Amino acid sequence: DIVMTQSPLSLPVTPGEPASISCRSSQSLLHSNGYNYLDWYLQKPGQSPQLLIYLASNRASGVPDRFSGSGSGTDFTLKINRVEAEDIGVYYCLQTLQTQTWTFGQGTRVEVK
Amino acid sequence: EVQLVESGGGLVQPGGSLRLSCAVSGFTVSGKYMSWVRQAPGKGLEWVSAVYSTGSIYYADSVKGRFTISRDNSKNTLFLQMNSLRAEDTAVYYCAATRDYYYYGMVVWGQGTTVTVSS
Repeated sequence: DIVMTQSPLSLPVTPGEPASISCRSSQSLLHSNGYNYLDWYLQKPGQSPQLLIYLASNRASGVPDRFSGSGSGTDFTLKINRVEAEDIGVYYCLQTLQTQTWTFGQGTRVEVK
Repeated sequence: EVQLVESGGGLVQPGGSLRLSCAVSGFTVSGKYMSWVRQAPGKGLEWVSAVYSTGSIYYADSVKGRFTISRDNSKNTLFLQMNSLRAEDTAVYYCAATRDYYYYGMVVWGQGTTVTVSS
């Protein structure tokens, strides 16, 4: 199975400052169709997860443009160029390349410093 | 309005069964990727099962042989039949879906339903 490793697991942030989360996979997530099957989700306190980024670098509808996703193969990054208070929560990466088993990362808790 | 509403959770004894439902409104379940994801108390997200837009079905090893995912196009509903439940199945169960035939991320999520397995 593909193992997803996020870092850091805890990220204190200052509103207005940038933030970055890494997600590494134990196998390449690059499909033969040219897409990397890696999503990013945010679970705000007390809420269901919400999609931020799909296929590594595509912002979901309604997601602010301060969020961006990058990377290919086994190394991926979620960046927030200016953190806002509403961005607090736990961020998860998810691989869906391996059809038999989708895998989430452990989660990165983003909190205000 | 696009909405997923889970139901069917509750308290069940080890070895028992439950059937979760995910009622969909605002789009049709047919031809979409649909999935169940769970979250044990205080833990992260764990993928449980998925049915692809093609109809192919997949399960996590932890539930294979015990859980069955299905969708009823006429009822526009996704189901998860859970048998031989164990204490470690205790979690909030979320259903999630794409809005398209092709995979563009699980864009719609339900509010979750709580399953507690305990004697």
